[in-house]
Amino acid sequence: GEDVEQSLFLSVREGDSSVINCTYTDSSSTYLYWYKQEPGAGLQLLTYIFSNMDMKQDQRLTVLLNKKDKHLSLRIADTQTGDSAIYFCAETRRNSGYSTLTFGKGTMLLVSP
Amino acid sequence: DAGVTQSPTHLIKTRGQQVTLRCSPKSGHDTVSWYQQALGQGPQFIFQYYEEEERQRGNFPDRFSGHQFPNYSSELNVNALLLGDSALYLCASSFLGQQVNEQFFGPGTRLTVL
Repeated sequence: GEDVEQSLFLSVREGDSSVINCTYTDSSSTYLYWYKQEPGAGLQLLTYIFSNMDMKQDQRLTVLLNKKDKHLSLRIADTQTGDSAIYFCAETRRNSGYSTLTFGKGTMLLVSP
Repeated sequence: DAGVTQSPTHLIKTRGQQVTLRCSPKSGHDTVSWYQQALGQGPQFIFQYYEEEERQRGNFPDRFSGHQFPNYSSELNVNALLLGDSALYLCASSFLGQQVNEQFFGPGTRLTVL
């Protein structure tokens, strides 16, 4: 299909790990991204992974990529209440040398104390 | 560096009117992309500008048009507004020569059509 798919909602307790999953569509995507959106704000790029990598770690964030299944996940260790937000995965689509982003519908992460 | 800025922050229009939204890219960036984010949805790509020309376009009608100026800033115009055009309009800037296509987003303009 054409859509990038994400689960819509995740609830965790402070201190737990959070795992947000995404299925993308374009096997030729060179980079895959995770963005965070807090209420009333724009999107903040959290991290990205190159398609020839399986894993990327950046402080509390770990990205796993299964290219065969077109599955991407974002793990947040020691989740804090400030991590409550909507998380979007996005894939790159290239056409005539120009890259655009295709986003999923977003996963709302709610972290309770 | 102010990052990506957009104006206005909020706008209320009525059906049939026209609207212009503005975006200034991050310093050093030459490419501007516009996205529409309806409530509860992910951003949807409208179009992308580079060297003052529209280079890519998403699945949006001709009522949506844009412009890029020599200083890389950009405008999004929407004619004949419909209720369904109510959304958060996001501008993102990037540098075309960067392989990663790291797009930086502005805070958005919230458009309400009554």
